Order: sequence, then structure tokens, then C-alpha cells
Amino acid sequence: KAGVTQTPRYLIKTRGQQVTLSCSPISGHRSVSWYQQTPGQGLQFLFEYFSETQRNKGNFPGRFSGRQFSNSRSEMNVSTLELGDSALYLCASSLAGGRSYEQYFGPGTRLTVT
Amino acid sequence: QQQVKQSPQSLIVQKGGISIINCAYENTAFDYFPWYQQFPGKGPALLIAIRPDVSEKKEGRFTISFNKSAKQFSLHIMDSQPGDSATYFCAAKRYSGAGSYQLTFGKGTKLSVIP
Repeated sequence: KAGVTQTPRYLIKTRGQQVTLSCSPISGHRSVSWYQQTPGQGLQFLFEYFSETQRNKGNFPGRFSGRQFSNSRSEMNVSTLELGDSALYLCASSLAGGRSYEQYFGPGTRLTVT
Repeated sequence: QQQVKQSPQSLIVQKGGISIINCAYENTAFDYFPWYQQFPGKGPALLIAIRPDVSEKKEGRFTISFNKSAKQFSLHIMDSQPGDSATYFCAAKRYSGAGSYQLTFGKGTKLSVIP
């Protein structure tokens, strides 16, 4: 099975711009979660989508949004970029939550805001 | 109550030695504790996981020890190899409502295994 894929792998944007990142989960996985990874804060949960519905959200401002399509592919959008948004954005997919919760991560999108 | 505290931040171990990484949590709602391994330029990969009704789980050279009363768990890497050099994250899962389960991660330990 192909793993989780994320595009693009690298992005450089300017403050004030907006950006859209894409994630394709493992085939058959219906849950997609997004995380922000920075050296100072580690991995922080952004949101989770399941069957096109956001069912959980972390503590991030409204500039961070996402959506999921009927084929489970997901996108996240960051509007009005700030320097502090520079990070590795990781997407993870899983079959669904449950007693075990194996999440499979993609390689991430490295976003640099200048 | 949502935090998972991980130590040390960095660790240097000789080849063949034992690497030990510790994590502690406060929220008793956590019910699943995975460890992830991340190499530079890659996403985290699930290494091994444990549920709180088990005190130890071993998979090859990797062992999780779990102390429910102390709310602590640790990863032991036996016979550490240079190829184990990576960043390790502990995590804890809890039910967050609406059918969703959320992972909370420790801040990571950068392990370097020197020949």
C-alpha cells in the first residue's frame, strides 16, 4: 500500500499571503489529522477530519482551516501568514479512532514564511 | 492536564549500550501510549505502543515499561545501533468526543548513537 503523501514538500511564502497544503491518506483510511511541528513546541495537533467532517480541533487561531473531500484527501489552509507559522506541517491518516489508534504520518510540508 | 512531559531532550549513547527515554503524564483519561521514531526529512513512524493494562511490552530491541500508578512510561532501546539515531516522541491518546481520539505528544528526544 502506498503511504501518506503530502504536497508540496517545500514552500516559501511571504507574510500576509495564504497557503494551501494537500494530503492524500493511505487507501481505505478515512481519518486525517494535521499537526504542526516546530523545534520549540514539538508536534501540536491542528485538527482531524473524518468523512468530510471536522470532528476535533486543536488550539490554533481561525487562520488555520481545513477540509476533507469524499475520497478522504484533505487540504489545510493558512491565511494571512505570520513568521511564526514557519514549521513542518504533518498529515497523518488512520482507519478510525478506537482502542488502538495507529496513525501513519506523511513526510510533511516544510513551510517557510519570510 | 493535556501535557506529556518527555526527558531527556537529547541523549548520546555508545553503540551496544542501552538508551532510555522517559515520559510522564497527568491526565488519567489517556488510554493508549505509542512511541514514534522520526528521521530527518521524514514524518514520525510508529515504533511500539502499549495500553495501560500492561506493564511491559517488548518488540525486538525496543521495550516500553509502563507504571500506571506513577503515570510514567519509558522506552528502552537495547544494544543501541548508529541506525537508531533519530528523534523519538512519546505520545498519549485520549477520547476527545464526537468519535474522535486525540494524540498528545512529548517534545521529543534526539538520540545519537556513536560507534
